[in-house]
Amino acid sequence: QQQVRQSSQSLTVWEGETAILNCSYENSAFDYFPWYQQFPGEGPALLIAIRSVSDKKEDGRFTIFFNKREKNLSLHIKDSQPGDSATYFCAASGASGGNYKPTFGKGTSLVVHP
Amino acid sequence: EAAVTQSPRNKVAVTGGKVTLSCNQTNNHNNMYWYRQDTGHGLRLIHYSYGAGSTEKGDIPDGYKASRPSQENFSLILELATPSQTSVYFCASGDAGGPNERLFFGHGTKLSVL
Repeated sequence: QQQVRQSSQSLTVWEGETAILNCSYENSAFDYFPWYQQFPGEGPALLIAIRSVSDKKEDGRFTIFFNKREKNLSLHIKDSQPGDSATYFCAASGASGGNYKPTFGKGTSLVVHP
Repeated sequence: EAAVTQSPRNKVAVTGGKVTLSCNQTNNHNNMYWYRQDTGHGLRLIHYSYGAGSTEKGDIPDGYKASRPSQENFSLILELATPSQTSVYFCASGDAGGPNERLFFGHGTKLSVL
């Protein structure tokens, strides 16, 4: 049973468009949702994160929209650049018996064409 | 800047052989994690640790052992390597030990078991 689902394995957009990456989860105990960005040959790195008490988190061109009732969230990348081409992982963690270890989705590979 | 270093970067092993993957962190983080990354599966947690001397099973621990001899070092051990363990392995340290934990990943070890 996959607890964190990313709806698209891959996504292609043109430079300047807004890329939207979707994620959903099943465990109501999850309350922290980070997105990690991974470039080829490197490890993932934290990009942006949101707590479940918020419905939006913005950092430059990157915005997370969060819907607690629907148990889903999305990462919007405004004005996409070729340098944004990477794999994006949605993750979730929460206070389940004091165990906060994060659970990752399978990732979405984003390609931004110039 | 947080630093997680994995060695080796690449490893070729024979079926039935013993393989040890090493990870060193200079962040002084209590939590450390071992993940494997495979196409179509994303990041899957193998073992993790809350501090020196502790190891815990993750979601896919079968065929793997872990060792945390010190705050800085966390090893993943394959006693009898099999071709199904061919993968890219990532080590990470966690900065919070709580629901807002950020993970800092190493660059990965590409393991091929022939």
